[in-house]
Amino acid sequence: GENVEQHPSTLSVQEGDSAVIKCTYSDSASNYFPWYKQELGKRPQLIIDIRSNVGEKKDQRIAVTLNKTAKHFSLHITETQPEDSAVYFCAASISLGGGNKLTFGTGTQLKVEL
Amino acid sequence: DAGITQSPRHKVTETGTPVTLRCHQTENHRYMYWYRQDPGHGLRLIHYSYGVKDTDKGEVSDGYSVSRSKTEDFLLTLESATSSQTSVYFCAISRTGLAGVKKAGELFFGEGSRLTVL
Repeated sequence: GENVEQHPSTLSVQEGDSAVIKCTYSDSASNYFPWYKQELGKRPQLIIDIRSNVGEKKDQRIAVTLNKTAKHFSLHITETQPEDSAVYFCAASISLGGGNKLTFGTGTQLKVEL
Repeated sequence: DAGITQSPRHKVTETGTPVTLRCHQTENHRYMYWYRQDPGHGLRLIHYSYGVKDTDKGEVSDGYSVSRSKTEDFLLTLESATSSQTSVYFCAISRTGLAGVKKAGELFFGEGSRLTVL
């Protein structure tokens, strides 16, 4: 089955700096790569996703890049703010017909310091 | 809450007792999932369903069973709870074809059920 590795497990940045979280996946058939943000005590929520037919996607301060050859994908957050502090999870799946059996990474605790 | 609720939200039980967690959705989605979340492991898929009476195992299905007798409800049962099943359990649905959904197939999670097995 799919295996997703995520690094780093913790990340501390100064407010205004950029943060980068990296993931690798094992199954070359995976074609859907979402990123979830989870605040303390809350449910994971989708913040951005990318499909295997594109290499990069941006949404305001966040962006995701995908390297299919290397089986790497990354989350980039620019101009970080205190409200970006949370746990971030990457995931991968083979998306078919509306269903998504996501395999998650182990998470990155991001702390944005003032 | 986008039409997905979990119950109970918190439960403390003893080793060896049966436990059932319920996931209820109001949007008539075909796909439903149960994940567990543990420190250092992220979210791991227990079981999923692709329709009424259609279920399959995920990566950590041992010790768990599921049932889906109607579209809106997906039940997760621990036949004989063990301390290793202490976890936060999240139900999720694949939201497809709805206005405002970021992407077809996006997983939307319930608020979670915290289970403690003593």
